[in-house]
Formats: sequence, C-alpha cells, structure tokens
Amino acid sequence: DAMVIQNPRYQVTQFGKPVTLSCSQTLNHNVMYWYQQKSSQAPKLLFHYYDKDFNNEADTPDNFQSRRPNTSFCFLDIRSPGLGDAAMYLCATSYNSGNEQFFGPGTRLTVL
Amino acid sequence: GESVGLHLPTLSVQEGDNSIINCAYSNSASDYFIWYKQESGKGPQFIIDIRSNMDKRQGQRVTVLLNKTVKHLSLQIAATQPGDSAVYFCAESGNAGNMLTFGGGTRLMVKP
Repeated sequence: DAMVIQNPRYQVTQFGKPVTLSCSQTLNHNVMYWYQQKSSQAPKLLFHYYDKDFNNEADTPDNFQSRRPNTSFCFLDIRSPGLGDAAMYLCATSYNSGNEQFFGPGTRLTVL
Repeated sequence: GESVGLHLPTLSVQEGDNSIINCAYSNSASDYFIWYKQESGKGPQFIIDIRSNMDKRQGQRVTVLLNKTVKHLSLQIAATQPGDSAVYFCAESGNAGNMLTFGGGTRLMVKP
C-alpha cells in the first residue's frame, strides 16, 4: 500500500540535460516537500508546497524548480544538472506543516 | 559525481543489547520531535514522535526521552536486532507550521 510514490527510482542524466523527477501521494495531504540528500548527510529541504502555495528555501539554487499540478502530484525539475547535483532526491508529504512527514523511497540521480 | 559526505557518528552494539541514540537541538521554541530510521537506499521511515508537553513516550521496543532543560532528545531501542541497523535522524519543528529541521544522523550497526 504505497502512500508516497517516486518515479523513477534511479535516474541517469548527462551534464546540463534537463531532468524531471516525479512524486505522487495517496494520502491527500496538503503539504508536499522535496529534499536533496547526499551521502552520509541529513535530508536538505529544497522547497515545499502548501496546497498550491510554493515555498522556496532561501539557499535552493535557481536550477531547481517544482510544479504541483494537483493535490496528488509534485514534480522536481532540474534545468541544467551539474555533477554536484548527483544525490538522492526525497519527496515527502504531511497533513499540515510541522506534522509528521511521510517519505517516499527516493530517486537516486546520477549525473554523467 | 556526488561529493563526499560527512562522516556519520556510528554506534555499534551487540544483537540483543539495548541501544541509545542521542540528539541535541538548539531551538528552545521547538515543540515537536521525531525520530526517523533510514535504511540504505530507502527513504526515512517514521519511528516515534513526541511533543514538548511530554518527557517520555514509548512504542514497540522504542522509547523517546525529551529533556527540554538541556535541549536533548534520545531514542532507546530495546533488544536491538540486525534489522535495526540503519541511520537514525532526529528532527524537530518549532511552533505550528514550521518546517522540520533534521539533525546530523547516527549510524547504528548491530553485530550478530
């Protein structure tokens, strides 16, 4: 009974080639988050949506964009991936901000 | 490729022993705390949470202790099993509506 689904699980892209990661949820939660996690580090919040309201973290590069076309889906667009963008990208949801977050399995991005 | 991550503190315990993982936080306004377990290649998984009006909460084989005076949080795992081997993150949020802030993580290794 998957609740937060991320596709693909593994993504390989070339330096500078745009890539889109997707996340969907069956929980009907208001908030959806995107995190970047590098090896042996804590997840780093990139941005989140509260319903349709987009909230960007101050230090998130412009290279990262997001779309939430409806309650269930949220996308992470990396416009020009660099080698430093190789990481695990985690999607999470919560009913409200500050509540428990439910994480998806993540997408491992490799940049060649 | 992916940059080299920070070295995670590691706790190594014998199977069957109890484990204690510690976390310090700095925001005295934090009022909600969560422990997450993350196995290799997977997203963080909720273990247990606690609100600031409590100092102890128990789950199945796990107990979270909160000491607001010294801003310290701990996770106790009873009768540690090989399946408990993972990285454990604490996370906190202050005031309703604030984002979760993750701690640095501790790697738990269980020796058979």
